[in-house]
Amino acid sequence: EAGVAQSPRYKIIEKRQSVAFWCNPISGHATLYWYQQILGQGPKLLIQFQNNGVVDDSQLPKDRFSAERLKGVDSTLKIQPAKLEDSAVYLCASSLEGGSRGETQYFGPGTRLLVL
Amino acid sequence: AQSVSQHNHHVILSEAASLELGCNYSYGGTVNLFWYVQYPGQHLQLLLKYFSGDPLVKGIKGFEAEFIKSKFSFNLRKPSVQWSDTAEYFCAVNQGGKLIFGQGTELSVKP
Repeated sequence: EAGVAQSPRYKIIEKRQSVAFWCNPISGHATLYWYQQILGQGPKLLIQFQNNGVVDDSQLPKDRFSAERLKGVDSTLKIQPAKLEDSAVYLCASSLEGGSRGETQYFGPGTRLLVL
Repeated sequence: AQSVSQHNHHVILSEAASLELGCNYSYGGTVNLFWYVQYPGQHLQLLLKYFSGDPLVKGIKGFEAEFIKSKFSFNLRKPSVQWSDTAEYFCAVNQGGKLIFGQGTELSVKP
C-alpha cells in the first residue's frame, strides 16, 4: 500500500516570497491533516480536512497561510508571504475516517522549509 | 486545551539497557494516547496506542506503554534497547480527532 506522498522534500526561499506544498494521502482516506514541526518541538496541527471540507483550522495563521483540498483527495498548503519563523518541517498525514478518537494517522516524509 | 509533556529531551543509553520515557498529559477526561517514532531519515510512524481496556499496551519492536489515569501518564518502556532504536519518540493525545504532540525525546543508543 502506498503511503502519504509529499513534495517537494526541501525548499529554500527568501522572506516575503511565496511557497506551496503538495500532499497526496493514502488512497481512500477521508481525512487529511497538515502539521507544522519547528525544530526541537513536536508537530502542531495547522488544518484538518474531512473529504473536501475544513474540520479545524483554528491554528492556521490565515493572514499568510492557506490550504485547499478541492476534490477531496490531494491537498496544497501555501504560505504567502513567508516569514523567517515559518522555517519548519511541514507534515501531511491522513486517516481513514477522521474524528475517531483512536484512529491512527499516517504521516508523509514532510517538506523541510528554510526561509532566509 | 490539552497539553502533553515529555520530561526528557535527550536520552543516551548503551545497548541492552532498559528504557523508560516519560509522558504526561493535562486532560482529566477520556483520552486516547499514542507513541509515535521517527527513525533517522524516515517519517513518523505509530509505535503503539491506547484506546480503552487494558492499560498496558504492547506495540511493535518490543515496546510497551502503561496508561496510569491517576497520574495522567503514559510512559513508554522497553526492557532491552538496541542500536536500531535510535530515533526520536513523540507522545501524543487525541483531542477531537486531532493529535496534540509532546516536544519529543531523542534517544541515542550506543553500540
